[in-house]
Amino acid sequence: QVQLVQSGAEVQKPGASVKVSCTASGYTFNFYAITWVRQAPGQGLEYMGWISPYQGNTNYAQRFRGRVTMTTDTSTRTAYLEVRSLRSDDTAVYYCARGMSGANAFDYWGQGTLVTVSS
Amino acid sequence: DIQMTQSPSSLPASVGERVTISCRASQGISNSLAWYQQTPGKRPKLLIYHASSLQSGVPSRFSGSGSGTEFTLTISSLQPEDVATYYCQKYDSAPFTFGPGTKVDIK
Repeated sequence: QVQLVQSGAEVQKPGASVKVSCTASGYTFNFYAITWVRQAPGQGLEYMGWISPYQGNTNYAQRFRGRVTMTTDTSTRTAYLEVRSLRSDDTAVYYCARGMSGANAFDYWGQGTLVTVSS
Repeated sequence: DIQMTQSPSSLPASVGERVTISCRASQGISNSLAWYQQTPGKRPKLLIYHASSLQSGVPSRFSGSGSGTEFTLTISSLQPEDVATYYCQKYDSAPFTFGPGTKVDIK
């Protein structure tokens, strides 16, 4: 069965960086884009960007460009999200999600990784 | 960028009641729209894609309609387990923006 398993919760200080992983199983990793979505406490879902594991192509939402990097390691079927220069308003649950074949709707989601930014 | 809005933001309804949630795109997106359900503390779950296609395993009381700029998610008979926040999402082109969500609970 398809699974996306994310790394554990992180606590970081303002100005630091964090790298969240998302390991896929149960499907051909290279064939499906991985999208990252975050959710601040009590807030809605915010699209951050996507990466194509096969080609390495990326697309970042405007507000994250220059501060976020998405990568993949096809040998370990793992996608990574790095966020730099963390601020308190980056405190959120970060989700990875798989894009469907034929539609950029997200049919499988990771369990989420809570990143807390606090001094 | 195309903006997504939803109405209402909150929807109290009775068990068995028909529930309708609206989603509007600021520009036409054809049928490139998905609906998700999220219960507190859980990951989102895909309900509908291509505006009206039911995702595998989703109960048939959920349905979607619309195209262009106006979309609707309908729950034909609200069940207690449907208490959740519902989000629409556009995916015609990046950014794949979500709507602000509609919180459905039992009256």
